[in-house]
Amino acid sequence: DAKTTQPPSMDCAEGRAANLPCNHSTISGNEYVYWYRQIHSQGPQYIIHGLKNNETNEMASLIITEDRKSSTLILPHATLRDTAVYYCIVPRSAGGGNKLTFGTGTQLKVEL
Amino acid sequence: EADIYQTPRYLVIGTGKKITLECSQTMGHDKMYWYQQDPGMELHLIHYSYGVNSTEKGDLSSESTVSRIRTEHFPLTLESARPSHTSQYLCASSPGVKQYFGPGTRLTVT
Repeated sequence: DAKTTQPPSMDCAEGRAANLPCNHSTISGNEYVYWYRQIHSQGPQYIIHGLKNNETNEMASLIITEDRKSSTLILPHATLRDTAVYYCIVPRSAGGGNKLTFGTGTQLKVEL
Repeated sequence: EADIYQTPRYLVIGTGKKITLECSQTMGHDKMYWYQQDPGMELHLIHYSYGVNSTEKGDLSSESTVSRIRTEHFPLTLESARPSHTSQYLCASSPGVKQYFGPGTRLTVT
């Protein structure tokens, strides 16, 4: 996978937007950015993915910079249940079999 | 949502026992994966399969083995469990890149 860099931890007040950054400066032109989260040792849960355009779904929004070297996952109204480890992943391309490397992620703590 | 199941959810077993962790999915996904995760640590890919009769070792060396005789089933076996095998084992399946994870099996070897 293209190497990604995330802050180890972040805090957010409940009801506020949580903005989780990710750097992926070595990303190739046809590689997607995927975000997963893992709530306290449960199986990771897919959140969203994108290539170059901003994406939004019922869980989050993904903002990718124009040069594609970084992205931000936005949880618009964080709740206590959003406390989790968030992983930014750029999967290896087809030759690598689309395997995911999770890394250490960002521990997001949502507080009252 | 994908339906992927793992059994047992928790297993405490003595050293030297043979164990099989079950993983099954009902979506007809060709790709399936096994990850290992120690508490508070990263997930590491230990096995994967791209279809029936296809299995490969992952990034982290593991003494476990896997088989893929049916599309929906991807069991993991430890022939002789040791305390060093104590960990959480997570199974996933995928139709492409997006992976769907099961709830995991927490294994403790005493």
